[in-house]
Amino acid sequence: KNQVEQSPQSLIILEGKNCTLQCNYTVSPFSNLRWYKQDTGRGPVSLTIMTFSENTKSNGRYTATLDADTKQSSLHITASQLSDSASYICVVSDRGSTLGRLYFGRGTQLTVWP
Amino acid sequence: NAGVTQTPKFQVLKTGQSMTLQCAQDMNHEYMSWYRQDPGMGLRLIHYSVGAGITDQGEVPNGYNVSRSTTEDFPLRLLSAAPSQTSVYFCASSYSIILSGAAGYTFGSGTRLTVV
Repeated sequence: KNQVEQSPQSLIILEGKNCTLQCNYTVSPFSNLRWYKQDTGRGPVSLTIMTFSENTKSNGRYTATLDADTKQSSLHITASQLSDSASYICVVSDRGSTLGRLYFGRGTQLTVWP
Repeated sequence: NAGVTQTPKFQVLKTGQSMTLQCAQDMNHEYMSWYRQDPGMGLRLIHYSVGAGITDQGEVPNGYNVSRSTTEDFPLRLLSAAPSQTSVYFCASSYSIILSGAAGYTFGSGTRLTVV
């Protein structure tokens, strides 16, 4: 069964600290993996997208890694800011069909305290 | 360039009422879809469309209808609202039908629906 599991479910850190969010998936055949940020009351916004051949991709203070062999991804946030408080959602796309179905994780709720 | 626009932002319905959630995009995206987001669960696909006149069911289509008469608009209809349809609904669009494209999804800001 294709699944996407994220950990931790929630995380509280102090402003300025770093943190790492985890995503494990069983989706096959794998096409790509995206990390989205969802602020409270808003729609998800794409942070990064990674294909099978990519190991690391950065977007400012956000760095995503992908290990396609172990089917794991992580999102590292450096020097956290209050505005980083949000839900971070891992989304994996398969390539079993033309459309490529998306599988959503339940998200990690990050809270950054001053 | 407004992106994906959803209306209304909030709605309360009585059981059995019908309504239409509106979704419009101005990016000339071919692919549009509707998701629902419930507490503690990932987004679940309700219906999707790969172009004007073409729609198909997603993971949880029961109780919902869609149509795609134009590229820009993709309304979601609740035929007879039930409390189980209380949720936050997101419309999303993508330039690439093949989702491996780099563009990814653009999500609307959501419609919070409560059915009492």
